[in-house]
This record gives sequence, C-alpha cells and structure tokens, in this order.
Amino acid sequence: GAVVSQHPSWVICKSGTSVKIECRSLDFQATTMFWYRQFPKQSLMLMATSNEGSKATYEQGVEKDKFLINHASLTLSTLTVTSAHPEDSSFYICSVRSTDTQYFGPGTRLTVL
Amino acid sequence: GNSVTQMEGPVTLSEEAFLTINCTYTATGYPSLFWYVQYPGEGLQLLLKATKADDKGSNKGFEATYRKETTSFHLEKGSVQVSDSAVYFCALSDTWGYQKVTFGIGTKLQVIP
Repeated sequence: GAVVSQHPSWVICKSGTSVKIECRSLDFQATTMFWYRQFPKQSLMLMATSNEGSKATYEQGVEKDKFLINHASLTLSTLTVTSAHPEDSSFYICSVRSTDTQYFGPGTRLTVL
Repeated sequence: GNSVTQMEGPVTLSEEAFLTINCTYTATGYPSLFWYVQYPGEGLQLLLKATKADDKGSNKGFEATYRKETTSFHLEKGSVQVSDSAVYFCALSDTWGYQKVTFGIGTKLQVIP
C-alpha cells in the first residue's frame, strides 16, 4: 500500500496564529488527498478533498477560509489552520487513495493555547 | 447518505478470548468495506478489506465477510493478544467519484493478560 507521512507530528501554538501541516505521499503520486479531523474518542470526520492543481472540495460546515488547503504537487498537500483558536485543537489526519483503498498518515496533534 | 454503525465499546477481553465487533452499514450501490485499526497516538492502519459481496478479508488472524443480505461486515478473531489492544474502525467507501470514506464511531478493544 501507499506510504503517507505528515509533518509535524504534533504542534502547540498560541491562539490567533496560523499552523501549516504537510501531508506527503512517499511512494505514490496522488492526484487526490483527503483531510480528516478526529476529536478525542470520536471517529474521523472528512474535512475536505484535496485535488492536485485545483481547488479543494470542502465538506458542509467546514470553513474554507479557516482551513486552507494547497495541493501543489502529486506528492504534497498542505493544510493551514488560520487564526487558530482552542476549539481547533484536534488530531488532523490525511490520506491518499490508491485504487480502492485509502492509506492514512500518522496524524498531527494540534493544541491551541 | 452512507452510514456505518458499530458497537461503541469499550470491549475488554482476556488474552486468547474470541473477538467479535459488529458492524452494519447503509449505502447506495455497492461500496467497498474496510476495517482500520488505530493504536494509541497513531494514525489509522488498514487491517483488511472486502470489495464485493461474500468476499472475506483477512489479516493478522482477523477476518470479516461482506454480507450484502444483512448489510454487515463483522470483525472476528479467534484468539486475541494484548498487542491487539487498539481502536477498530469499520468503514465503507463509495466506488465512484472521489470514493469518500465513511467511518463508524470506532470500538476500543482492551485485551488483558
């Protein structure tokens, strides 16, 4: 299966700052990547679908101006949480799709103070 | 829309006990079905999958059969180990378009020696 990495694995930031999370597909060229958010003891919620070379598709209720997604190449997608607030603290996970299966990155733990 | 229902847990078992985690789904068409496992502090790992009715996915002693008539994909293992302690997510994927994945809530399994 595909190997997916994320950086950083964890980040702590002050309220009002912006944080960028990188998702890399290490052995597979991914035209589509997915960004999920996971709250403690809850399931994954799809935030957006990231498309290489075009705008991301956001799920209902996800603020596109707050969660900026850039899929600049076939191996890299970034999620920027702008003007972060404590309620944005969560575990963010990206994935890539290879044939009929999604492969997930290890996740990034964001804590906003 | 699509949905996945699984037992919430936690499930606590003694080592070598038999495991069943129930999963049922609602979907249009013919989705692919998955079980993912998440160890503490980590992202999701694909455990097994099945892409059509009556298929049996298996891996590491775990298995699940795609039952279209009962819309179920129950996870089983004959003899659990302490190292199997994790959260298990049942999921389904559309087989068209972006192939969005819908997750169940996750079932925490704790295996005690």
